Amino acid sequence: QKEVEQNSGPLSVPEGAIASLNCTYSDRGSQSFFWYRQYSGKSPELIMFIYSNGDKEDGRFTAQLNKASQYVSLLIRDSQPSDSATYLCAVNKPPNKLSFGAGTTVTVRA
Amino acid sequence: DTEVTQTPKHLVMGMTNKKSLKCEQHMGHRAMYWYKQKAKKPPELMFVYSYEKLSINESVPSRFSPECPNSSLLNLHLHALQPEDSALYLCASSQAPITGGSEQFFGPGTRLTVL
Repeated sequence: QKEVEQNSGPLSVPEGAIASLNCTYSDRGSQSFFWYRQYSGKSPELIMFIYSNGDKEDGRFTAQLNKASQYVSLLIRDSQPSDSATYLCAVNKPPNKLSFGAGTTVTVRA
Repeated sequence: DTEVTQTPKHLVMGMTNKKSLKCEQHMGHRAMYWYKQKAKKPPELMFVYSYEKLSINESVPSRFSPECPNSSLLNLHLHALQPEDSALYLCASSQAPITGGSEQFFGPGTRLTVL
């Protein structure tokens, strides 16, 4: 079983729609969860982090965490062409590491 | 200021060359990381420095040699690399070693090509 699994994609959504990205993790001891956006040829950019069960909203992005189900998700509302990128889910692996999922490529079509 | 800088942006080297990658942050972060990323793959951790001491080496070949001269700087010395080492090398930093969770910020990376 992989430490972090993401829906494989690619995910194509029309402009203005909601893009939903899912991630599951295997280590129940994980405490911190991160979403990175990576444009082609660029480095990962942290867009959201969440530590507690529930929802966390930042602009058009909402991260959701359910530790009992070992599940974290990212919603992108009102998707824009500029949201087209690969989204990486990352989970802390104590004491000092991040485990990354394989990434989900999102394409927002105009 | 959440900025990590890396130099050079691009590097082409032969298998007999010696070169160094540099990373700098001025956010007061005490943990710094080197990652390697191949195309269409997630970043792969290489080394972690915590409070300027090497805390994790992910069984990286000795042709990669990290160095942390001070809390703001991180170097990666390269020697006798192989073509399969061609990749994007990413530096990251975080406020503290990730235990309770501390977000990592990545630099723009160095695109390395080994001929």
